[in-house]
Amino acid sequence: AQTVTQSQPEMSVQEAETVTLSCTYDTSENNYYLFWYKQPPSRQMILVIRQEAYKQQNATENRFSVNFQKAAKSFSLKISDSQLGDTAMYFCAFISGANSKLTFGKGITLSVRP
Amino acid sequence: DAGITQSPRHKVTETGTPVTLRCHQTENHRYMYWYRQDPGHGLRLIHYSYGVKDTDKGEVSDGYSVSRSKTEDFLLTLESATSSQTSVYFCAISADLNTEAFFGQGTRLTVV
Repeated sequence: AQTVTQSQPEMSVQEAETVTLSCTYDTSENNYYLFWYKQPPSRQMILVIRQEAYKQQNATENRFSVNFQKAAKSFSLKISDSQLGDTAMYFCAFISGANSKLTFGKGITLSVRP
Repeated sequence: DAGITQSPRHKVTETGTPVTLRCHQTENHRYMYWYRQDPGHGLRLIHYSYGVKDTDKGEVSDGYSVSRSKTEDFLLTLESATSSQTSVYFCAISADLNTEAFFGQGTRLTVV
């Protein structure tokens, strides 16, 4: 069974600082994909970044980057130059190439302080 | 914005009654998902579909059933609603395994 674990329920960061959100997963598959989604108070789910497991290079999207450690099954999200608009709940998600089950972690609430 | 619509957006129902939530998409995406979101539990997968009439269970499928008779519609039925099924329900669609999943606006269901 595939599982996604986000062990930190809440984090807080000062505006313009950098913060890292942790995520670990468990799978016996070798072909899979990982995602980070953001859910602001509006409840809308927004894709932040994605990573293919077969790619060794860490994905980056502007201020967002990941540290993908395949052997450790770790997929953390780094937000640089944090902005007030980054305040949201962040979810880590996993999908295997063997099935189409898109599994999410419990999420982490990030607050950016002015 | 991706064409995905959930209906109804809000519903209050009584314990023991059947309830059906509808997810409709205009994107012709292959994959469709139903989740429930509860504080402290994140998004939990109820059922998902990988094609017309092809569905499978997620981690919290007890008390729920689904049907997908057309590409565009994915129905979630609570066979006999219970108070523990009070939640916000999200539908999601995706074209492929490695592509972005688009979410509906959610349905807030209250079982009294």
